[in-house]
Amino acid sequence: EAGVTQFPSHSVIEKGQTVTLRCDPISGHDNLYWYRRVMGKEIKFLLHFVKESKQDESGMPNNRFLAERTGGTYSTLKVQPAELEDSGVYFCASSQVQGGYNEQFFGPGTRLTVL
Amino acid sequence: DQQVKQNSPSLSVQEGRISILNCDYTNSMFDYFLWYKKYPAEGPTFLISISSIKDKNEDGRFTVFLNKSAKHLSLHIVPSQPGDSAVYFCAASGNQFYFGTGTSLTVIP
Repeated sequence: EAGVTQFPSHSVIEKGQTVTLRCDPISGHDNLYWYRRVMGKEIKFLLHFVKESKQDESGMPNNRFLAERTGGTYSTLKVQPAELEDSGVYFCASSQVQGGYNEQFFGPGTRLTVL
Repeated sequence: DQQVKQNSPSLSVQEGRISILNCDYTNSMFDYFLWYKKYPAEGPTFLISISSIKDKNEDGRFTVFLNKSAKHLSLHIVPSQPGDSAVYFCAASGNQFYFGTGTSLTVIP
């Protein structure tokens, strides 16, 4: 069974540009999460989808970030316009069961560098 | 404000010895705790978890201990193997997942 995949693996853009990250969860997983890790710091929650609906987007830093999950399958996270502080590794995770007792399966991450 | 803290950024242990990774948290409402292991260029992978109603959970060489009164949990790996070298993240589950900053474990052959 394929795991969580993310595209691209790396992205280098200039400040002010737009970048779109994609996450394909494990097939059948209704729950999809986005996280971000800034260099050397903790992995921070960004948002949680249940199917196509945003269950919790309290971790989204600001309105330059837009996440979508059309059709409840893959998800995209768009940053527009990108700022220097957006640099980091963006992880996507998916799980079957919602709630505190699930095990989330993480993708390899997308390393975003904003110059 | 960081709710889950791993105060040791790195740890080196000799192969065969015990590795102890520590984690502290601030929110007494957390009901589930997890440890994830991460290799370079890969996403974190689930390692072991413990419910807040327990104080110990063991899975092979890995044991997690939870001290609720101290708001502290630890991961014991024994015996440590070179393949255990990775970054270990502690996570706590409340209304969402909160991760620590990670501890980089190096097991020296």
